[in-house]
Amino acid sequence: LAKTTQPISMDSYEGQEVNITCSHNNIATNDYITWYQQFPSQGPRFIIQGYKTKVTNEVASLFIPADRKSSTLSLPRVSLSDTAVYYCLVGGYNDMRFGAGTRLTVKP
Amino acid sequence: NAGVTQTPKFRVLKTGQSMTLLCAQDMNHEYMYWYRQDPGMGLRLIHYSVGEGTTAKGEVPDGYNVSRLKKQNFLLGLESAAPSQTSVYFCASTGLAGNTGELFFGEGSRLTVL
Repeated sequence: LAKTTQPISMDSYEGQEVNITCSHNNIATNDYITWYQQFPSQGPRFIIQGYKTKVTNEVASLFIPADRKSSTLSLPRVSLSDTAVYYCLVGGYNDMRFGAGTRLTVKP
Repeated sequence: NAGVTQTPKFRVLKTGQSMTLLCAQDMNHEYMYWYRQDPGMGLRLIHYSVGEGTTAKGEVPDGYNVSRLKKQNFLLGLESAAPSQTSVYFCASTGLAGNTGELFFGEGSRLTVL
């Protein structure tokens, strides 16, 4: 069974806010939720990580409801350069498995 | 710091040949991982290591072997390459124990098996 489920693709326009939701119904008590961004021909890079409630950094926000069975990555005012694949990863050091990811396309 | 370095970056093999991919990290990280990524797909975990001298299987370990003789290096070997192993291979490492580690990735190694 997949640990995480995300939409396969999303389209947006420059300047809009984008929300990508990841489902992780079997999340363990000790698991953190981490989001990564991947551009073509590059390795993924860290965006944000959280355990519960809300986390915000300079590039994104992460919303995690009380039951922690899902999480939402929020990208404010996207630009063309945000076109990439976004992955949520749930698990510990011995289970660093990625799902299929969400391909975000930002249009002018 | 160089971070995570993978060598070689490109390689073409014939079916049945063997090769080794090297991953080196200079961040003193305990945990290291090898992934493969096929075109248009997500990353799949091949093997991982939780410390020097340890290795463990991931999602797709068949056809690969690994070794972690030194803390900074994690080697991925293909004993008898097959066309199905044509892929981009990514190495990653993290230094935090438990569940809070941010993965740092290398630039990838593109392998083609003819």
